[in-house]
Amino acid sequence: DIQMTQSPSTLSASVGDRVTITCRASQSISRWLAWYQQKPGKAPKLLIYKVSTLESGVPSRFSGSGSGTEFTLTISSLQPDDFATYYCQQYHSNTYTFGQGTKLEVK
Amino acid sequence: EVPLVESGGGLVKPGGSLRLSCAASGFTFSSFTMIWVRQPPGKGLEWVSSISSSSNYIYYADSVEGRFTISRDNAKKSLYLQMDYLSAEDTAVYYCARDEGEPAIDYWGQGTLVTVSS
Repeated sequence: DIQMTQSPSTLSASVGDRVTITCRASQSISRWLAWYQQKPGKAPKLLIYKVSTLESGVPSRFSGSGSGTEFTLTISSLQPDDFATYYCQQYHSNTYTFGQGTKLEVK
Repeated sequence: EVPLVESGGGLVKPGGSLRLSCAASGFTFSSFTMIWVRQPPGKGLEWVSSISSSSNYIYYADSVEGRFTISRDNAKKSLYLQMDYLSAEDTAVYYCARDEGEPAIDYWGQGTLVTVSS
């Protein structure tokens, strides 16, 4: 099975910062890589799919990139609403695998 | 209008059973693969099972294979998860979700908590 590893596990940042979260796959994956944002007590929210396609309604400060085994989620200028936990997710061989999550907290 | 609403969670003893339901609205339910994802308290997300639009293809995570059964009723716009032989490791919030086809999960329910404890 493909494992997804996110880094860092926790990220401390300030409003206005540019932040990057990395997701590494245990083997090369296709472009079926998505990113989600989750706030406490809420369901996850889809931000990006197919590595770099922004979901409708998601602010353009979010972007995704990568290929092979390494993928990144970048927030260009952190806003107060962005402090949350972020998960990557890949789809391969009819299974969905999530990373362990990155908690983005206020510095 | 919330497109996905789960029900059926609760407290169950180890070895017991529970059936979760998910009512869909506001979209053509019969056109989409549907998924169950769970999240243990304070932990990350884990895919549990998925079922194709016509129920032709069904998949399970290794952790629930043989114990959980996913099904759907397109006429009732409903998704189900029958959970048997439950253990403490199954304690989690269970989300019903839609795969938009990219594949990516674009609609999520609010979740229903399943607690397995004696």
